[in-house]
Amino acid sequence: EVQLLESGGGLEQPGGSLRLSCAASGFTFSTYGMSWVRQAPRKGLEWVSGISGSGGTIYYADSVKGRFTISRDNSGNTLYLQVNSLRAEDTAIYYCAKHAHNYVRGTSIDYWGQGTLVTVSS
Amino acid sequence: DIVMTQSPLSLPVTPGEPASISCRSSQTLLHTNGYNCLNWFLQKPGQSPQLLIYLGSNRASGVPDRFSGSGSGADFALKISRVEAEDVGVYYCMQALQTPYTFGQGTKLEI
Repeated sequence: EVQLLESGGGLEQPGGSLRLSCAASGFTFSTYGMSWVRQAPRKGLEWVSGISGSGGTIYYADSVKGRFTISRDNSGNTLYLQVNSLRAEDTAIYYCAKHAHNYVRGTSIDYWGQGTLVTVSS
Repeated sequence: DIVMTQSPLSLPVTPGEPASISCRSSQTLLHTNGYNCLNWFLQKPGQSPQLLIYLGSNRASGVPDRFSGSGSGADFALKISRVEAEDVGVYYCMQALQTPYTFGQGTKLEI
């Protein structure tokens, strides 16, 4: 059974940083692309970043480029999102999501984690 | 970026009746491999999204056959043949052709 368990969210001040983690199990982690998708309170879904199975190909939404960094540890089956220079508009539930193939572009997202809440406020 | 437009945004339905949601993209989602890169997700109240349909018309594992996806290019639809109480939530279409992946605004299905 595929399981994705996010952690690392919390309350942070504007300009602050957090490191989100996603522990994956139930599949061969290194052979699937992964993404982070966020959802602001009472809003829709926004894709944030994606990374290929090997970690060699990475994509970002323009809204987070230069502030967020996606990475993965295939030996530890964990996906990360380093979020820096946080803004109020980054407040959201951050979901870890698995792609159906090794790459990101052109592939479906087939599993989602339960999410971790990031709140940016002074 | 590809813009995804869903309609309606609110969908009141009666159990046992059919329901349909439209999703249009600002450009074709037909990949060079011949597949439409369009997914449908359902987010039930208080839960994370779950995959219903991938590649435009393929039901995900465990999804009841009352759900069907259709369409090609830039015009897609999700149909529920007979709505059940457990189908309430927000339905999203998402294009997976190119990054940034983009979602429709969501359609709230209510009974």
